[in-house]
Amino acid sequence: KQEVTQIPAALSVPEGENLVLNCSFTDSAIYNLQWFRQDPGKGLTSLLLIQSSQREQTSGRLNASLDKSSGRSTLYIAASQPGDSATYLCALQTGANNLFFGTGTRLTVIP
Amino acid sequence: DAGITQSPRHKVTETGTPVTLRCHQTENHRYMYWYRQDPGHGLRLIHYSYGVKDTDKGEVSDGYSVSRSKTEDFLLTLESATSSQTSVYFCAIRQGSSGAEAFFGQGTRLTVV
Repeated sequence: KQEVTQIPAALSVPEGENLVLNCSFTDSAIYNLQWFRQDPGKGLTSLLLIQSSQREQTSGRLNASLDKSSGRSTLYIAASQPGDSATYLCALQTGANNLFFGTGTRLTVIP
Repeated sequence: DAGITQSPRHKVTETGTPVTLRCHQTENHRYMYWYRQDPGHGLRLIHYSYGVKDTDKGEVSDGYSVSRSKTEDFLLTLESATSSQTSVYFCAIRQGSSGAEAFFGQGTRLTVV
């Protein structure tokens, strides 16, 4: 079974700092990897989707990378803002019908 | 919100009663999923559907059943609610089975007392 780990579980940074969130996984046979954002009491918002054949995807201040050989993905957030405070989840699709989720990194950006 | 509506958004129910949660989508996606989110466990798949009347079990399906009589609606039923089923339930949709982006609803917070 796919195991997905996100470290650290929580992170606090001052506004304006660049930061990296980490996601590691045990099974490299994946279809894709997706990063989500979850605000307290809310649903999941899709941020970036990286297909298995891709190495990275970018959207605005966000950049996600994928290294299947090492079982790692990173989400890079540039020039962090207080509005970026949320829990960030990575999820891997390893079969036709499931996403395996990490337990997330709770990010706090301090003004 | 990718055209996904979950209802109800909040529910409190008593142990032993049946409960049905509804997921409605407007995007005509083929694949629909029910997940539960619990502290320390992340999101775990309960059941999924790959078409009308086509459903299958996920990793935590015991005590749950599903039905999909129309493309747009996917129902999750707790046959006899227990306190261990207190959780936040999320519906998700995906257009294709592999490689496609998944979109999630806003969640239903269920409390079983």
